[in-house]
Amino acid sequence: AQSVTQLGSHVSVSEGALVLLRCNYSSSVPPYLFWYVQYPNQGLQLLLKYTTGATLVKGINGFEAEFKKSETSFHLTKPSAHMSDAAEYFCAVSDMKTSYDKVIFGPGTSLSVIP
Amino acid sequence: DAGVIQSPRHEVTEMGQEVTLRCKPISGHDYLFWYRQTMMRGLELLIYFNNNVPIDDSGMPEDRFSAKMPNASFSTLKIQPSEPRDSAVYFCASSRDSEYTEAFFGQGTRLTVV
Repeated sequence: AQSVTQLGSHVSVSEGALVLLRCNYSSSVPPYLFWYVQYPNQGLQLLLKYTTGATLVKGINGFEAEFKKSETSFHLTKPSAHMSDAAEYFCAVSDMKTSYDKVIFGPGTSLSVIP
Repeated sequence: DAGVIQSPRHEVTEMGQEVTLRCKPISGHDYLFWYRQTMMRGLELLIYFNNNVPIDDSGMPEDRFSAKMPNASFSTLKIQPSEPRDSAVYFCASSRDSEYTEAFFGQGTRLTVV
């Protein structure tokens, strides 16, 4: 069975500092991996996704994530945090390209950005 | 397009009452999903539809929950009777019928059952 863990339910960074949100997954087959962001009182919005090909994936708002099969990780990074990045971030995994019921979301990491 | 539209945004009801949550997906999207988000359980998929047909409702917690999609532009999630443990944020999302494309989420309905 697939699962997703996100290390750290809450992360604080200073404005301008590196953002690193960790995601590890378990999957018996090559996974499809996603990062979603949820701003206060909003629904989830896709930041980026990995399906096949290049393991370094670039998303919106300057975020990127790297799929590392050997480490079963898909950590999200951004070189310089902005105040507007404060939100909840969810990592998700699926083992099938078109089976939406197989998408498993992690518990989420709340990112705070300190001025 | 205005995106996925959910109503109401907030609902407070008394235990035992019927609650109906509404969703209008993005025009042209073939998939519609209902999720529930709580602090304890995170984001859970309750049910999803493809071309108005329920495909998988295994996430629906109890028979008190039911969902319908009478046409391509409207879906409801009903709880009858409601209980305090149903308090959560309920999200509707929609997606196109293709290899996995992103699901677009509505702003959610915050349900409080007292």
